[in-house]
Parts: sequence; structure tokens; C-alpha cells
Amino acid sequence: GENVEQHPSTLSVQEGDSAVIKCTYSDSASNYFPWYKQELGKGPQLIIDIRSNVGEKKDQRIAVTLNKTAKHFSLHITETQPEDSAVYFCAASTSDSWGKLQFGAGTQVVVTP
Amino acid sequence: NAGVTQTPKFRILKIGQSMTLQCTQDMNHNYMYWYRQDPGMGLKLIYYSVGAGITDKGEVPNGYNVSRSTTEDFPLRLELAAPSQTSVYFCASSYLISAGGPDTQYFGPGTRLTVL
Repeated sequence: GENVEQHPSTLSVQEGDSAVIKCTYSDSASNYFPWYKQELGKGPQLIIDIRSNVGEKKDQRIAVTLNKTAKHFSLHITETQPEDSAVYFCAASTSDSWGKLQFGAGTQVVVTP
Repeated sequence: NAGVTQTPKFRILKIGQSMTLQCTQDMNHNYMYWYRQDPGMGLKLIYYSVGAGITDKGEVPNGYNVSRSTTEDFPLRLELAAPSQTSVYFCASSYLISAGGPDTQYFGPGTRLTVL
């Protein structure tokens, strides 16, 4: 089955700097890669996703890149702000898996003013 | 729309007790999922449902049961609670899956369960 590895497990950045989180996946059939943000005491919320027919997607300060050949995808946050502090999860899924998501272990991001 | 709602928010159980975690969505989603999240870990799938009357096991189904009698509701049942089931439980739902891949999963706020 699918295995998703996420690095780093913790990331501390100065406000205004960029943050990058990387994930690798094992199943070459995976074609959907969402990123979720989880604030303390809340459920995960989708912040951006990418499908395998696209190499990059951007939404304001957030971007995701996908390298299908190397089977890895990354989340980029630019101009970080204190409200970006949270746990971020990557996930992967295939069309024939009934939407079942395989999650990475998460990255705790701390943005210091 | 309220989205995905879960009750209760918190619960403490004694070993061997039973309980049902409730999940309701008002988005007319056909797919629903139950995950558990252990400290410092990602979410692991317990059970999922592709529509009313259809359920299937995920990665960690042992000790749990589910039912899906309506589109809106997807309760998770713990029959004989064990300390290993101490976790935060999240319910999620999504609309459909197409050739382009799965649709967005929307998560509830979670139920924090402690088994002592």
C-alpha cells in the first residue's frame, strides 16, 4: 500500500522568511496530493491540493510542487506570518482507492515574530 | 451549512465500556471516513463508507464498528474500550471521486477520547 514520508517533523522560521515541507510517496498510481493545516484543538483544514496532471499550483503565499518521476511533492509558504504556526500534513490518494488518504506524520511549524 | 459535526467533543471511558462517536454532515457527501490521530502522528483510517449501506475497513479497524444507514450520519462504535484506543477521532466527508482523482475531504472538529 501507499506510504507517505514527511520532513521535517518540526520547522522554526522567522516571520517573513519562507518555509518548505517535503513529502515522498511510494505508490506511483497516486494522483491526488492535498495539504492540510491543523491548528491546536481543531480538525485538519485543506489549504491546497494538487493533482498529478499538474506540476505546480499556487494560492497567494502558498504553493505546492509535484515531481512525479521522483515521487515527491513539497509545500512552500512565503512571507510567513505568526498565524501560519500550526501542524501541516501532506497526504496522497489514488482514484481507485475510494478517496482513502494516506497521511504523512506532520510538520510542526513555528513562526517567531 | 454546518459542515461536518462530531459529538461528543471529549469523553473519558473505563476499560471495557462501550460508546458511540457521532458524525453528521450536511453537504450531501456520499463518501465518509473515520480517522484516529495519535500524538505526534498522522491520521490513520479506521473505516470508510462510499454511500448509505456500504462500509469497509481502513488501515486500523480492529476494536471498532461502523454503520451508514443514511447519507448524513456515520457513527463509530467502540464495543470494549481499551487504553490503546485513547486518541483523537476525526470524521471526514467528501463529494465524489472522478477520473481526475478524489474530491476534497472536509474534517469535523474531532472527539478526544481517553480510556482509563
